[in-house]
Amino acid sequence: DAGVTQSPTHLIKTRGQQVTLRCSPKSGHDTVSWYQQALGQGPQFIFQYYEEEERQRGNFPDRFSGHQFPNYSSELNVNALLLGDSALYLCASSGGLLPTDTQYFGPGTRLTVL
Amino acid sequence: GNSVTQMEGPVTLSEEAFLTINCTYTATGYPSLFWYVQYPGEGLQLLLKATKADDKGSNKGFEATYRKETTSFHLEKGSVQVSDSAVYFCALSDRAGSARQLTFGSGTQLTVLP
Repeated sequence: DAGVTQSPTHLIKTRGQQVTLRCSPKSGHDTVSWYQQALGQGPQFIFQYYEEEERQRGNFPDRFSGHQFPNYSSELNVNALLLGDSALYLCASSGGLLPTDTQYFGPGTRLTVL
Repeated sequence: GNSVTQMEGPVTLSEEAFLTINCTYTATGYPSLFWYVQYPGEGLQLLLKATKADDKGSNKGFEATYRKETTSFHLEKGSVQVSDSAVYFCALSDRAGSARQLTFGSGTQLTVLP
C-alpha cells in the first residue's frame, strides 16, 4: 500500500517564475491538504481540497493556487515566486470511506527560490 | 484563532533518560490533538493522537494525555534511545474527528546521545 507521494523531490527556481508541485494521496483517501514548512519552523496550512474543490484555506496570498483531479491527486501552483517562498512543501492526505481526523504526510518537495 | 505553543529546544538527553516535551494550546471548540515526528530530510510521521479530554495517546513508548483543564498535551517517554533523535511537533485540528486544518507548534529538536 503506497503512502503519500510527492514530486519532484527538489526544485530550484528564480524570483518571478512559476512552479507546480504534485501529490498523490494514500490509497483510499479522497482529501488532500498542502502545508508550507520554512526552515526551523512548524508547517503552515495552505489549503485543503475535497471533491475537486478548495474546502478550506489558510492565510496565504492568491499566488498560491491548487487543483484536485478526479483520481484525488493534487497540484500546488505558486506564481510570481519570492525569495520567501523557499521552503519544504508538504502534502497530506486523509478521508475516504472511513473518515478519520488523521492526516498522513508525504516526504515533501524542497523548493529553493534564488 | 487556534495556536500551539511548544517547549523551546533544542533538547539534549543521554540514552535511557526521561523525556518531557511541553505543549499547550489555544482553540475554539473541541480539537483533536496530535504529536508528529520528523526525522532529518523526511516528512512528518504521526506519533500519537487523542480526540477528547482525558484520552491518552501512546505509541513506541511515547505517551501524551489530553488535558482540557490545563489545555495541555505534553509528550513523555520513560527511556529515550539514540534513534528517537528527531524534531517533534505538537498539533491540533480545528474540529475533533475531522481532518481539517492542522495548526502546528514550532517544533522541538531532540538529540539523544549514547
